[in-house]
Amino acid sequence: DGGITQSPKYLFRKEGQNVTLSCEQNLNHDAMYWYRQDPGQGLRLIYYSQIVNDFQKGDIAEGYSVSREKKESFPLTVTSAQKNPTAFYLCASSGPWGRNNEQFFGPGTRLTVL
Amino acid sequence: QKEVEQDPGPLSVPEGAIVSLNCTYSNSAFQYFMWYRQYSRKGPELLMYTYSSGNKEDGRFTAQVDKSSKYISLFIRDSQPSDSATYLCAAYSGGYNKLIFGAGTRLAVHP
Repeated sequence: DGGITQSPKYLFRKEGQNVTLSCEQNLNHDAMYWYRQDPGQGLRLIYYSQIVNDFQKGDIAEGYSVSREKKESFPLTVTSAQKNPTAFYLCASSGPWGRNNEQFFGPGTRLTVL
Repeated sequence: QKEVEQDPGPLSVPEGAIVSLNCTYSNSAFQYFMWYRQYSRKGPELLMYTYSSGNKEDGRFTAQVDKSSKYISLFIRDSQPSDSATYLCAAYSGGYNKLIFGAGTRLAVHP
């Protein structure tokens, strides 16, 4: 059963802590993305990766970091430098075949800073 | 000005109504347009995908793109309570190599 998994579903963080959100896909997609969703603002791109061992900053990369050591995995770290990290985080992937700009999304992780 | 503008709603309609959801965009380089549906606390799922101007129909859903006015629409016929969700429009340009999303419109269909 192909798809994208994100874990955990809910995450609580104390101020000053770094946390890592997991994203795994078994769709054999080359490209993966991280978005942040806040009420009334739609999805904003944090980081994206077109290929293993390469990634680019999106529109709101400050306070976040990523790695892409494996094709299937694209973890996102929310660092203590991110001033307002409470949000819903969505991971997506897209493939090189057919409509390669069509993105498939995971179920999301809701991060709350206490 | 945002590159893709979408009225956040909320939009409330009775069951069976025709729903019209709309977005405007500013960049004429956008070539591909998509509509995603997002249920509460879930990830978005692709609903419709269109390229350039014209209409595309899939069951009760019709996506419409008018590139001359930079206007994209999603029509839902015979709306059902299960259609209650947030609908996100998105536009893509190969030159930018990323999707630009609207803010999303929250739709409620009541029995």
